[in-house]
Amino acid sequence: DGGITQSPKYLFRKEGQNVTLSCEQNLNHDAMYWYRQDPGQGLRLIYYSQIVNDFQKGDIAEGYSVSREKKESFPLTVTSAQKNPTAFYLCASSIGDILNSPLHFGNGTRLTVT
Amino acid sequence: GEDVEQSLFLSVREGDSSVINCTYTDSSSTYLYWYKQEPGAGLQLLTYIFSNMDMKQDQRLTVLLNKKDKHLSLRIADTQTGDSAIYFCAESTAGGSYIPTFGRGTSLIVHP
Repeated sequence: DGGITQSPKYLFRKEGQNVTLSCEQNLNHDAMYWYRQDPGQGLRLIYYSQIVNDFQKGDIAEGYSVSREKKESFPLTVTSAQKNPTAFYLCASSIGDILNSPLHFGNGTRLTVT
Repeated sequence: GEDVEQSLFLSVREGDSSVINCTYTDSSSTYLYWYKQEPGAGLQLLTYIFSNMDMKQDQRLTVLLNKKDKHLSLRIADTQTGDSAIYFCAESTAGGSYIPTFGRGTSLIVHP
């Protein structure tokens, strides 16, 4: 079955440590995205990538970094510079640059930093 | 710019119909989506409608689009406790970024 896999589902880190969240898709989609979800704030776009080896900042990119070395993979690193990293992180993918290109989401990673 | 607005909460009794509303701002050719998010999970695409349509029905789901008022609604017939979730409206617009703009989500609570 095609889909998006995020791992791990739960992640715990100490303050000051960088942490990398994994996202893999086998849908052959060109575009991939990272969102952050906090209670009552909906989805906020962190980074997105339209094609391999290229990515763009979203609305809240500060304190995060990404890479897109392979079409299937779009890992997100939450750095120690992110002031409030505890949140639910969602990865998504889509066909790409066409109008009807709905996003397909993974099941999320809940990151807790203490 | 683009903006998508939803009310935050809706409470209904099991067996009743639920109507979740959404307003959007962009008037150009548009795809509008409804997603469902169950607790602790990702978003699941429920249905979508293009802006040249007024209505789309899929089993218990009915989407109504009022282009003049830029108002979209999702009606769930015979609401069940399993329908309790957060429902997101999203808009994707021709001539702009292809990245959908999401509303903040409506929490649907279904009482037995």
